[in-house]
Amino acid sequence: EDKVVQSPLSLVVHEGDTVTLNCSYEVTNFRSLLWYKQEKKAPTFLFMLTSSGIEKKSGRLSSILDKKELFSILNITATQTGDSAVYLCAVNTNAGKSTFGDGTTLTVKP
Amino acid sequence: NAGVTQTPKFQVLKTGQSMTLQCAQDMNHNSMYWYRQDPGMGLRLIYYSASEGTTDKGEVPNGYNVSRLNKREFSLRLESAAPSQTSVYFCASRDLQNTGELFFGEGSRLTVL
Repeated sequence: EDKVVQSPLSLVVHEGDTVTLNCSYEVTNFRSLLWYKQEKKAPTFLFMLTSSGIEKKSGRLSSILDKKELFSILNITATQTGDSAVYLCAVNTNAGKSTFGDGTTLTVKP
Repeated sequence: NAGVTQTPKFQVLKTGQSMTLQCAQDMNHNSMYWYRQDPGMGLRLIYYSASEGTTDKGEVPNGYNVSRLNKREFSLRLESAAPSQTSVYFCASRDLQNTGELFFGEGSRLTVL
């Protein structure tokens, strides 16, 4: 059975802090790993990773994949209150299946 | 651009009633998905359709049925609703040729009394 595990489940930080969110996986026929941000409504796409060691970056957010150790991290630097959300990791397989982890709830205090 | 449209947005059912959640996408995507999200949890895959004419079970298929009516539409049916099916349901679609990113509907909040 495909499995995606995120840690920590929740995190409280102050504005300006840097956070690292973790995602480990065990799936059959891995194709890609994606990060999403969810605020109140449906998740919105952040990154897709398919190759090990290549960092994807967008502003203060960055992510990297390790296909040997089967994990990914999402870093957020200089956090802002607007970063408060649930961050979801999902793994896609070659069969077209997308399995999500339980998410990390990030709260950024002023 | 409508994207992914799911209806209804809200529904209250009594235990044992049946209902169908409708989903349609206008992005010509091959794959469509139904997820449920319970409070404090991630999205759990109910069923998916990797391409028109195929459907497969996800992690939590019990109590649900699906129909891929055509390339655009993918419906989710609850034959005999139970309180454990109280949840927010998301339909999603994607084109496997591109980023693999899922495009989501706005969600349907279902309460079973």
